[in-house]
Amino acid sequence: EDQVTQSPEALRLQEGESSSLNCSYTVSGLRGLFWYRQDPGKGPEFLFTLYSAGEEKEKERLKATLTKKESFLHITAPKPEDSATYLCAVQARGNAGNMLTFGGGTRLMVKP
Amino acid sequence: DVKVTQSSRYLVKRTGEKVFLECVQDMDHENMFWYRQDPGLGLRLIYFSYDVKMKEKGDIPEGYSVSREKKERFSLILESASTNQTSMYLCASSLPQGGYEQYFGPGTRLTVT
Repeated sequence: EDQVTQSPEALRLQEGESSSLNCSYTVSGLRGLFWYRQDPGKGPEFLFTLYSAGEEKEKERLKATLTKKESFLHITAPKPEDSATYLCAVQARGNAGNMLTFGGGTRLMVKP
Repeated sequence: DVKVTQSSRYLVKRTGEKVFLECVQDMDHENMFWYRQDPGLGLRLIYFSYDVKMKEKGDIPEGYSVSREKKERFSLILESASTNQTSMYLCASSLPQGGYEQYFGPGTRLTVT
């Protein structure tokens, strides 16, 4: 059974204080690992897809990396507007319908 | 840009009522999904569809049914709403090929009293 565990559950940062969010996964053959951002009361917004170990993707202050067992979302010099819940999900090879298995999310709060 | 819309942002229904949640996507995606999201339980897949009139059960299909009569529209039906179906309901769509991301709608916050 595919599993995704995100840590920490919640993270408080001061503006400008860089940090990383972790996504550990077990999957029977990874087809893709996905990062989403979710603001309160809204649907998840797609950020990145990573396909193989060693791959990195960047967008503004966010950088996602991937190893064979985990992914990190690095946040450099965060701003209050980066406050949100960040979700990680995996898709397994041979998965009918391209279903995703989601982690529980990390709630990020950035104080000015 | 991909756009996924849901018929209501907030909905309040009474126990035993039949409830319809509608989802429309404008990107000609073959795959469509219905999730519910609850604190501490994360996102859980209810049903998905990979083509018109096709449907597959997800992890928690009990108490729900779905309908897909047109490619762009996917409906979630609660035949007889119960209080334990109070939740945030999210619709998503994606291309059929593996490795592609799902795009989500804004969500419907359903309260059953």
